[in-house]
Amino acid sequence: AQSVTQLGSHVSVSEGALVLLRCNYSSSVPPYLFWYVQYPNQGLQLLLKYTTGATLVKGINGFEAEFKKSETSFHLTKPSAHMSDAAEYFCAVSGILGNQFYFGTGTSLTVIP
Amino acid sequence: GAVVSQHPSRVICKSGTSVKIECRSLDFQATTMFWYRQFPKQSLMLMATSNEGSKATYEQGVEKDKFLINHASLTLSTLTVTSAHPEDSSFYICSANGPNQPQHFGDGTRLSIL
Repeated sequence: AQSVTQLGSHVSVSEGALVLLRCNYSSSVPPYLFWYVQYPNQGLQLLLKYTTGATLVKGINGFEAEFKKSETSFHLTKPSAHMSDAAEYFCAVSGILGNQFYFGTGTSLTVIP
Repeated sequence: GAVVSQHPSRVICKSGTSVKIECRSLDFQATTMFWYRQFPKQSLMLMATSNEGSKATYEQGVEKDKFLINHASLTLSTLTVTSAHPEDSSFYICSANGPNQPQHFGDGTRLSIL
């Protein structure tokens, strides 16, 4: 069975500050891990993903995430928040076939000018 | 790159009508398509998985007679909400993947039932 927990349904940061969005997962098989961003009334845009190899993954828009197997975590970070980063962020896990996804409950990021 | 297109992006209709949502993979063969439902301020909940040419597999609690899914070709899956009621109002998102293709998501359809 696979599941995802996102701690903090709402996160507020000041423009230019560090962004940290937390994601923990449980999986009975080696997981594939994803972060998606969703803007209002739009679909999901892939930020980054971890499948195999290097545990620090760099994505679009300056985001990165680190897969820590010992902590079953895949937290998303960005060194300096921008106003355009304000959106809903979803962490997701799938099996190695990459078929069925399980999403976290999402974290709404607010960037304060 | 690969794109999944959903149509319509928004639909408003009266209670009791049926609504069809299309999900198309534009430049790859989508052997598997997924339909999700998202309530306001909530996550995506998988409704069903459809493989081309076979019946969809529905998640527990999803009424298959209410949400009809057809995946007749490798580029098109449709979700029909039959006899829609206000409680069916939601944001519906499809995704698709195929051989050597990661999962791609459509832009979603906002369904509002009056």
